[in-house]
Amino acid sequence: DTGVSQNPRHKITKRGQNVTFRCDPISEHNRLYWYRQTLGQGPEFLTYFQNEAQLEKSRLLSDRFSAERPKGSFSTLEIQRTEQGDSAMYLCASTRDREKLFFGSGTQLSVL
Amino acid sequence: DAKTTQPNSMESNEEEPVHLPCNHSTISGTDYIHWYRQLPSQGPEYVIHGLTSNVNNRMASLAIAEDRKSSTLILHRATLRDAAVYYCILNGNYGQNFVFGPGTRLSVLP
Repeated sequence: DTGVSQNPRHKITKRGQNVTFRCDPISEHNRLYWYRQTLGQGPEFLTYFQNEAQLEKSRLLSDRFSAERPKGSFSTLEIQRTEQGDSAMYLCASTRDREKLFFGSGTQLSVL
Repeated sequence: DAKTTQPNSMESNEEEPVHLPCNHSTISGTDYIHWYRQLPSQGPEYVIHGLTSNVNNRMASLAIAEDRKSSTLILHRATLRDAAVYYCILNGNYGQNFVFGPGTRLSVLP
């Protein structure tokens, strides 16, 4: 059990650029979640996968946000045409069925 | 989504017990009650979870009301390291989403 890994840890980008974050869940965890967290707030649910199927994506913040989980292993979260309001910590978590969530350390995005 | 409500903040003295309340009046019969905590600059970490019966582990105890509309996380002896934001959330039947609220910020005074 090596834990949930997120890369990069920090990302600085200019407004209008596209960014992609990667999450490697704990092996054999079939469920993977993405959250966004801004300062002083709890994690805000974005989307989740069961294996390779994206079962909930209505809470993605806009059509600039998309996520994939090819082959049910790692996942990527992409933000197109970034805006300053996208600056936040992006957290990934994984679990097996309805057991406890394991979180990664997050990717801190700064949009200049 | 089932919602939970928690006090915004609480304070405790070191080495004293802490009782963190959570209301979840719209909980359904198959929702598990989970507690997580988040230390500064870290992702949330699991504390404890339960369905109907009270639960104990090395970190804490979880007391669930008989009607399941509320629960209490109990830290038996608070330490400075327990200062964190504590989140009470519900995990539904299909586990679609663990929805977090703002949580309770616990301060531990030496």
